[in-house]
Amino acid sequence: AQSVTQPDIHITVSEGASLELRCNYSYGATPYLFWYVQSPGQGLQLLLKYFSGDTLVQGIKGFEAEFKRSQSSFNLRKPSVHWSDAAEYFCAVGARGYSTLTFGKGTMLLVSP
Amino acid sequence: NAGVTQTPKFQVLKTGQSMTLQCAQDMNHEYMSWYRQDPGMGLRLIHYSVGAGITDQGEVPNGYNVSRSTTEDFPLRLLSAAPSQTSVYFCASGGTSGTNEQFFGPGTRLTVL
Repeated sequence: AQSVTQPDIHITVSEGASLELRCNYSYGATPYLFWYVQSPGQGLQLLLKYFSGDTLVQGIKGFEAEFKRSQSSFNLRKPSVHWSDAAEYFCAVGARGYSTLTFGKGTMLLVSP
Repeated sequence: NAGVTQTPKFQVLKTGQSMTLQCAQDMNHEYMSWYRQDPGMGLRLIHYSVGAGITDQGEVPNGYNVSRSTTEDFPLRLLSAAPSQTSVYFCASGGTSGTNEQFFGPGTRLTVL
């Protein structure tokens, strides 16, 4: 069975600074990988996804993520954080041939002025 | 397209009461799933369906029932609510491309007293 680890429960970043949120997965083959964002009291919005091909994927809101097979990682990055990026971020993995996702426990991003 | 809709948005139950959380999608997706979200736990899969008439258990199925009589609807039933079922419930649907991409509803916040 697959699993996802998000090592950081909370991260605080100054507005305008760069951001990297870590995600490590466990899966025997090449997985499908996703990052979702959830603002307080809201549902989940898909930021980006990796299925195959180019290991650097671009998403919405200026986010990108890089799939590194050797490190079993799919870290999310943004070069300059805006106060509106404050939210909880979830990494998820899907096993090929199945229809569901396994989520990490989330990282809460706080943005300081 | 309305996407994935869920009703109600909020619900308070007493221990032992039963209720059904409704979920509908208008994207003609085969796959539908129910997740629950608890603080610090991420999203955990309750039940899922790969098509009308086909359902299966996820990671935390106890205390919940599902059925799928149509492609569009996937209700989640709590037969005898318990305080441990206090949570936010998300319904999701996915297409037939086999990439596990999930489209989420806005969620139902359930409190069991």
